[in-house]
Amino acid sequence: AQTVTQSQPEMSVQEAETVTLSCTYDTSESDYYLFWYKQPPSRQMILVIRQEAYKQQNATENRFSVNFQKAAKSFSLKISDSQLGDAAMYFCAYRSAGGFKTIFGAGTRLFVKA
Amino acid sequence: DTGVSQNPRHKITKRGQNVTFRCDPISEHNRLYWYRQTLGQGPEFLTYFQNEAQLEKSRLLSDRFSAERPKGSFSTLEIQRTEQGDSAMYLCASLRGTGGYTFGSGTRLTVV
Repeated sequence: AQTVTQSQPEMSVQEAETVTLSCTYDTSESDYYLFWYKQPPSRQMILVIRQEAYKQQNATENRFSVNFQKAAKSFSLKISDSQLGDAAMYFCAYRSAGGFKTIFGAGTRLFVKA
Repeated sequence: DTGVSQNPRHKITKRGQNVTFRCDPISEHNRLYWYRQTLGQGPEFLTYFQNEAQLEKSRLLSDRFSAERPKGSFSTLEIQRTEQGDSAMYLCASLRGTGGYTFGSGTRLTVV
């Protein structure tokens, strides 16, 4: 069975600085998708970034980028120029290309200091 | 596109009562998912619909839980004879293709 592990329950970053959130996953499949979702306090979860496993190029969305290491089964999220609005729970998630459900990690709570 | 809508936002019920939640997905999305999230944890998969067909149901979903998606539009999740362990946030998400989920705001259930 596939698993997703986020080893950092909490992280903090100074406003305007850069922070990296870690994620590892376990799967025997070669074709899959990886995601980072953001869940602000008392607000709905939104998709931050998506990576297709067959693409070697790391995905980027404005200030958010990933470091995808397929052989190491690692998928970290880098947030540059951190803003107060980035404070939230961040969930790493996995979905098999042929599968129907997404598996989530336990999350990392990010605090942003002014 | 008005997003995924869930009602009610909050529900407090007494143990043993039945509750029903509703989810209205994005109209073009043929796949609909229910997840449960407890405090400090990631969402756990409950069940999945493609159009009106319920294609998968987690072992987390006991016989007290039932979900429907008539005509492939909105979906309902019913919990019968609620227990305190059912207290959680129930999330609905919809999806088309291979992208990421669009989540609703969730229904927070408290069983007292």
